[in-house]
Amino acid sequence: NAGVTQTPKFRVLKTGQSMTLLCAQDMNHEYMYWYRQDPGMGLRLIHYSVGEGTTAKGEVPDGYNVSRLKKQNFLLGLESAAPSQTSVYFCASSYLYGSPDQETQYFGPGTRLLVL
Amino acid sequence: AQSVTQPDIHITVSEGASLELRCNYSYGATPYLFWYVQSPGQGLQLLLKYFSGDTLVQGIKGFEAEFKRSQSSFNLRKPSVHWSDAAEYFCAVWKSSASKIIFGSGTRLSIRP
Repeated sequence: NAGVTQTPKFRVLKTGQSMTLLCAQDMNHEYMYWYRQDPGMGLRLIHYSVGEGTTAKGEVPDGYNVSRLKKQNFLLGLESAAPSQTSVYFCASSYLYGSPDQETQYFGPGTRLLVL
Repeated sequence: AQSVTQPDIHITVSEGASLELRCNYSYGATPYLFWYVQSPGQGLQLLLKYFSGDTLVQGIKGFEAEFKRSQSSFNLRKPSVHWSDAAEYFCAVWKSSASKIIFGSGTRLSIRP
């Protein structure tokens, strides 16, 4: 099993450009998440999905869109990148949701994004 | 609102020395608490979690954490650190109202040879 993979690993964008980050998991997990990690702020949830075809907003959703067309994939889109979106983006997946005594999130290796 | 605070941004310990990383939580009832580790260039990996029962929780890689309700703390410990333990460590709490994990800001651990 590859677990959770993310593409690309690193990207540089100019302000106003768009891009899509891809997350894939091969563990048949129902639930997937996108986080951003900024120095001194830990991880903040951007969007999440509780199943194929469903998405929901997290703590910091503005400027991002997501899609979950296939169970194994969760895409994060930036329509018009801004320097404030310079960050490291992590995808995660879990088998269960809303059940903290059983839930374990599995994380991808991250995508480092620089917006100039 | 549920939250976690990690008061130490960066800690350096000598290889072979003991380690304690601090985590304080804010929550009215019994919290669900986690510790994650992030090695350089990697994603986060769950070290251990506490939900109920024994307040001393054993995790992977020789780590343990103790839940102390009176101090609102969930500190992570290891008796003897190895150079491979150099990483960033995140404490997290389950936010029941939103069914989500809330992460602390992290503590970076460096190991002195």
